[in-house]
Amino acid sequence: DVKVTQSSRYLVKRTGEKVFLECVQDMDHENMFWYRQDPGLGLRLIYFSYDVKMKEKGDIPEGYSVSREKKERFSLILESASTNQTSMYLCASTGGAVGAGELFFGEGSRLTVL
Amino acid sequence: AQSVTQPDIHITVSEGASLELRCNYSYGATPYLFWYVQSPGQGLQLLLKYFSGDTLVQGIKGFEAEFKRSQSSFNLRKPSVHWSDAAEYFCAVGAGHNTDKLIFGTGTRLQVFP
Repeated sequence: DVKVTQSSRYLVKRTGEKVFLECVQDMDHENMFWYRQDPGLGLRLIYFSYDVKMKEKGDIPEGYSVSREKKERFSLILESASTNQTSMYLCASTGGAVGAGELFFGEGSRLTVL
Repeated sequence: AQSVTQPDIHITVSEGASLELRCNYSYGATPYLFWYVQSPGQGLQLLLKYFSGDTLVQGIKGFEAEFKRSQSSFNLRKPSVHWSDAAEYFCAVGAGHNTDKLIFGTGTRLQVFP
């Protein structure tokens, strides 16, 4: 089975702190994604990557950056956390034919910024 | 631009009753359509997908969905709901046929009464 592992399930940080959210997948997938999930807003794409060292902005990249140094790992970085970044963050990966669309999700990282 | 609308925020059904969750999409060409389910505290899992061909698609856990081009809809159905089906359900459309980006609806929360 494909496994997408997010290193932290729950985090509490203070405003202005730098936050790293780590995601690792074990199926050699090319594409990896970071989504943010908020009640009533569904999932919104922050960044995605289709290869090592490649990244593309999603719909809401402001305040975030990403890093993909190895194929299996995709990190989301909040340079200076703010309270409006309190949310559930979901990592996903997919491989195979482009457009196949079967995203495999991690269990999520719930971030609270005080 | 592509978009997905799930008009029902919250649905409550009795165990054993039939279920239909609505999804409407906006897309210029033949869309790639998906339904995902999120159990409490978990990531999202793919229930089913439509790319082409038969407009009635079968998924896991006894779910099915029907693609109706004339109505721009992709409603999810189940003939008899089980208590374990209580979860949040997301409809999604592919952002294009040469990308794995998905655009998600805002979700429908399903509550099942015994």
